[in-house]
Amino acid sequence: QSALTQPPSASGSPGQSVTISCTGTSGDVGGYNYISWYQQHPGKAPKLMIFEVRKRPSGVPDRFSGSKSGNTASLTISGLQADDEADYYCSSYANRNSFVFGTGTKVTVL
Amino acid sequence: QLHLQESGPGLVKPSETLALTCTVSGGFISSSSYYWGWIRQPPGMGLEWIGSIYSSGSTYQNPSLRSRVIISADTSKNQLSLKLRSVTAADTAVYFCARQGGQQLAESWFDPWGQGTLVTVSS
Repeated sequence: QSALTQPPSASGSPGQSVTISCTGTSGDVGGYNYISWYQQHPGKAPKLMIFEVRKRPSGVPDRFSGSKSGNTASLTISGLQADDEADYYCSSYANRNSFVFGTGTKVTVL
Repeated sequence: QLHLQESGPGLVKPSETLALTCTVSGGFISSSSYYWGWIRQPPGMGLEWIGSIYSSGSTYQNPSLRSRVIISADTSKNQLSLKLRSVTAADTAVYFCARQGGQQLAESWFDPWGQGTLVTVSS
């Protein structure tokens, strides 16, 4: 069970958009529409931002959106704000009743 | 509002058993059909799912940790428990507990999370 692959870093200026990819296999991302995304500020617990590929929990701004194509899921942050600077992790249900997380992406707001 | 709080020894010796508790308040672990998960994060590294337990008591573990992990629940105390046997330095991490939403294990996501507790494995 290997971690899902994310780019180590992504960046954008305030107001711009940034997209983070999350690549797995047919045994996880490609096989199920149960992808979630988490935001983690330094020293804090992760916070759910997206679940079931594209659904947003109550309280999460619509600047955050999710999608999936084949074995790759994506998180897009539109209208970047300073507080969006954080680490982001994807997660997917995987075969045989398990879960796998992504390697994590550090988003920097320039 | 649901709140989760991890607790346990911050230092464990190599080859011993790591034992953590997750105390849940604002809701009952035995009520409704929820899963509850344990996740860890080594310092400066990414997240790793350890395992989950259903309100009925069914458990699921990360295949890479299955032989060493025991997850249980004490409904009388509204607590979850994690035991990890034969620890090494590689088990040094912040350990989180979280509720899993969704109707089935596959459909679930982790929300909310506890604040996490750092466990260091060292002699």
